[in-house]
Amino acid sequence: RKEVEQDPGPFNVPEGATVAFNCTYSNSASQSFFWYRQDCRKEPKLLMSVYSSGNEDGRFTAQLNRASQYISLLIRDSKLSDSATYLCAVNKWYQTGANNLFFGTGTRLTVIP
Amino acid sequence: GAVVSQHPSWVICKSGTSVKIECRSLDFQATTMFWYRQFPKQSLMLMATSNEGSKATYEQGVEKDKFLINHASLTLSTLTVTSAHPEDSSFYICSAGPGEKLFFGSGTQLSVL
Repeated sequence: RKEVEQDPGPFNVPEGATVAFNCTYSNSASQSFFWYRQDCRKEPKLLMSVYSSGNEDGRFTAQLNRASQYISLLIRDSKLSDSATYLCAVNKWYQTGANNLFFGTGTRLTVIP
Repeated sequence: GAVVSQHPSWVICKSGTSVKIECRSLDFQATTMFWYRQFPKQSLMLMATSNEGSKATYEQGVEKDKFLINHASLTLSTLTVTSAHPEDSSFYICSAGPGEKLFFGSGTQLSVL
């Protein structure tokens, strides 16, 4: 089973729409969760962290459900500039003390005028 | 956020040559760095974990003799693709972070002719 499962989409939505992405993770011991945004041929950039209490940043809201082991990202009032691939990431701590992230496959979002 | 610098951004080389990619942490020390590979329209796949002063840890299916990793200092890790072939053409990207969050280099697009 993959560490992180994510619907690859694509999601094509009109401007102004609300869209939601979900990821499920397999390791119940995971402690840190993130959403990254990746534009074509660019590196992923951290969009926001995900907390159990929820995290909101403008039009973006991230949620964590530990019981069901999934995280979500909600984008309200979609803009053309939101078109990108959104990757969820879940951490894993190693015995060495190192920390790594496992990524979902990414969900491609296209906002249509 | 923390700054991770990666060079070069683009490499075009002939089959059989070796290519070195550098990843530097500019404003923090990184005992661990991570190397990923991403094929078109696919997710980031972890290749190996680079450990300062010791051997890298490779993910299953990644040939350590093919992808040489050196992490000689706390701010620099290098990935050398030895005897590159067209199937090695991909987007290679490194990441590191001062804490639980990871930041990415800008990536290297490798094209092997």
